[in-house]
Amino acid sequence: AQSVSQHNHHVILSEAASLELGCNYSYGGTVNLFWYVQYPGQHLQLLLKYFSGDPLVKGIKGFEAEFIKSKFSFNLRKPSVQWSDTAEYFCAVTTYGNNRLAFGKGNQVVVIP
Amino acid sequence: GAGVSQSPSNKVTEKGKDVELRCDPISGHTALYWYRQSLGQGLEFLIYFQGNSAPDKSGLPSDRFSAERTGGSVSTLTIQRTQQEDSAVYLCASSLEVSNNQPQHFGDGTRLSIL
Repeated sequence: AQSVSQHNHHVILSEAASLELGCNYSYGGTVNLFWYVQYPGQHLQLLLKYFSGDPLVKGIKGFEAEFIKSKFSFNLRKPSVQWSDTAEYFCAVTTYGNNRLAFGKGNQVVVIP
Repeated sequence: GAGVSQSPSNKVTEKGKDVELRCDPISGHTALYWYRQSLGQGLEFLIYFQGNSAPDKSGLPSDRFSAERTGGSVSTLTIQRTQQEDSAVYLCASSLEVSNNQPQHFGDGTRLSIL
């Protein structure tokens, strides 16, 4: 079964700092990759997704992620965070023929004003 | 348009009781998924339904867990003889179809607490 690893579970940073969250998966075949965000008290929302094509994916709220196949990675970035980016971020993957989302443990990000 | 609706939002029950959790997917979405989110285990897949096909139950943790989807729309997740380790947030998601490049849209979840 595929697995997803996210590092640095708790991240604290100041507004305007840059954010990068790592995501690695273990599956050798075709994958679809997702980042979901869960703001305090809200449901999981899709931030961005990669299915094919350009490995640099742009999502909502200024987030982007880069798929590097050779590194089995799909890291999330934002150049300048805001207090409103305080949330938990989850990387997830589906594989060919398997529609279940396999999630990482999540990154709890706190942005200090 | 309404999103995925789950009820109840919170449920507190005694160990050994049965519970039913409900999910109403986005209109027109043929695929429906159940996950649970717990402190120790993170987000785990439980089961998914696609139309009239047999559900994929491979994520259900024990035979105390079952789910139904009536009329291709509303789904009910039932946990029998609840245990304290069943305490978690149970999330429902739906997508246009069962395809691994269709994003899943999540509800607010049901927070289940077993005393």
